[in-house]
Amino acid sequence: GAVVSQHPSRVICKSGTSVKIECRSLDFQATTMFWYRQFPKQSLMLMATSNEGSKATYEQGVEKDKFLINHASLTLSTLTVTSAHPEDSSFYICSSKPPSYNEQFFGPGTRLTVL
Amino acid sequence: GENVEQHPSTLSVQEGDSAVIKCTYSDSASNYFPWYKQELGKRPQLIIDIRSNVGEKKDQRIAVTLNKTAKHFSLHITETQPEDSAVYFCAASLSGGYQKVTFGTGTKLQVIP
Repeated sequence: GAVVSQHPSRVICKSGTSVKIECRSLDFQATTMFWYRQFPKQSLMLMATSNEGSKATYEQGVEKDKFLINHASLTLSTLTVTSAHPEDSSFYICSSKPPSYNEQFFGPGTRLTVL
Repeated sequence: GENVEQHPSTLSVQEGDSAVIKCTYSDSASNYFPWYKQELGKRPQLIIDIRSNVGEKKDQRIAVTLNKTAKHFSLHITETQPEDSAVYFCAASLSGGYQKVTFGTGTKLQVIP
């Protein structure tokens, strides 16, 4: 299967700071990547669809100015949580898929803790 | 948009028994239904999927059934083992292209040795 990596795996930051999470497709070109957020004991909620070379599409209720997405190449998408607050503490997971697949391949996730 | 409901939220079974998880979806256009297993702190892993032109699919101890008319699909795990304990998510999407996936609410399965 295809491989998606994510970095960092864990990050702890102070309230008010910004945190950048990277998502990379290692063995395929990803025109589109998806960013999910998962709170403890809850499901994965799609935050936004990241499109290479164009603006991301955000789901209803997700603040685009708070969660900045950049998809500057076919293998890298970044999610920046700006002015992070404790309520942003969550598990952030990206996914993508090669064009010929139905299956989504997920990154290993990033555990964000905002103090 | 698509809405996927999943039941039960928790399920405890004795080792060796079967486990069944049920999901319903709202968008009749959805035609791809994956099931994921997620262990604590890890990424979801695809365990089986089914497309809408198929009513049932089986892979060893795992099977999925789909009733497109009723917009229901179910996961069946037979001869459960302790290592099957995890959270399971159903999902629905359109196949092809870069279609977003809508997840169910999850079922925490506990297999008691």
